Amino acid sequence: EAGVTQSPTHLIKTRGQQATLRCSPISGHTSVYWYQQALGLGLQFLLWYDEGEERNRGNFPPRFSGRQFPNYSSELNVNALELEDSALYLCASSLGLAALENEQFFGPGTRLTVL
Amino acid sequence: AQKVTQAQTEISVVEKEDVTLDCVYETRDTTYYLFWYKQPPSGELVFLIRRNSFDEQNEISGRYSWNFQKSTSSFNFTITASQVVDSAVYFCALSEAEGTDKLIFGTGTRLQVFP
Repeated sequence: EAGVTQSPTHLIKTRGQQATLRCSPISGHTSVYWYQQALGLGLQFLLWYDEGEERNRGNFPPRFSGRQFPNYSSELNVNALELEDSALYLCASSLGLAALENEQFFGPGTRLTVL
Repeated sequence: AQKVTQAQTEISVVEKEDVTLDCVYETRDTTYYLFWYKQPPSGELVFLIRRNSFDEQNEISGRYSWNFQKSTSSFNFTITASQVVDSAVYFCALSEAEGTDKLIFGTGTRLQVFP
């Protein structure tokens, strides 16, 4: 069974540009989560989508946004990139609100570098 | 407020030594879930265990064991007879709301196992 996949693996942008990161969940999973792992800041929750709806949002500015598509894949968009957005962005998926067992399984991440 | 504390930043051991990684959590909820994840150098978070607040039984899985004590709000992780492949960063995490919501991570403990 395929795990969570993310693309691209690496992304290099300059300040002010926009970045789009993509995530495909494990088959059968309806929830997708996004986390940021920046140096010195640990793993911070960004967004949670389930069945196409945004369910929760972390303490990040509005230039961090995303969506979940009907096939449950998800996109994270970061507008007006700043140097401190450089981080590893991890996507996770789980069985979602309808399930009792809800471990989050993580993808390999997208390393975003802002120059 | 929810919080997870991993006081040990880095631990170094020699192969075959036993090692315990500490995790202390704070939450006001009576229902919550605790997790351990492993992050090898490749960056992908690997799920190790999920435990709900009503189940205080210790768990053993091969060389791994977990000790959950509500009285001290701790969920410690022990690796018996450590191996070089155990070298990684280990994260403890907390989730409320049936475990479907965001994970709140500790800052991680880097374990280095030397041959």
